[in-house]
Amino acid sequence: DQQVKQNSPSLSVQEGRISILNCDYTNSMFDYFLWYKKYPAEGPTFLISISSIKDKNEDGRFTVFLNKSAKHLSLHIVPSQPGDSAVYFCAASALETSGSRLTFGEGTQLTVNP
Amino acid sequence: DAGVTQSPTHLIKTRGQHVTLRCSPISGHKSVSWYQQVLGQGPQFIFQYYEKEERGRGNFPDRFSARQFPNYSSELNVNALLLGDSALYLCASSLVGFNYGYTFGSGTRLTVV
Repeated sequence: DQQVKQNSPSLSVQEGRISILNCDYTNSMFDYFLWYKKYPAEGPTFLISISSIKDKNEDGRFTVFLNKSAKHLSLHIVPSQPGDSAVYFCAASALETSGSRLTFGEGTQLTVNP
Repeated sequence: DAGVTQSPTHLIKTRGQHVTLRCSPISGHKSVSWYQQVLGQGPQFIFQYYEKEERGRGNFPDRFSARQFPNYSSELNVNALLLGDSALYLCASSLVGFNYGYTFGSGTRLTVV
């Protein structure tokens, strides 16, 4: 039962353009969502998060959008830079029922071409 | 300030053996969680410990166990290793048991042959 899904295994964009990474979830108890970035041979690094009471959160070049009715969230990176090339994981938690355990998606490999 | 440190970085074991993986959290962090990442998949939650008590357990068999010590470091033990246990094992620490402040270590790459 894959509760968090990232349907695009890979995404390739040109430097300076927008990168949009998508994530869908099925568990309606999820109330907090996070994006992590992972480089090879390193652990995941926290990027940005959003609570279910919001529909948008912005931090510099990174913006996360949440559509609760569609159970969908997306990460926008503008402008994309070659250093953004990494695997991006969407994660969710249900703080009220399951505490702070994270459920991750399968990841999307982002490649930003110079 | 040192981040989350895990040891060893790489490990090769034979089926049926047991393994112990170690994690030192960031100084002051009292919560430690363990995740398993199989190639091509996202990390899967195994355990969370907070103040030396188990606070959560994922859908893993009893061959997996963990503990947290008084200095908040943690061990993950896996008995009777199977080929399917080959994965990257990640440790994450935070100040309290809330995911917002999770910092992950670089992981231990376990290969079972």
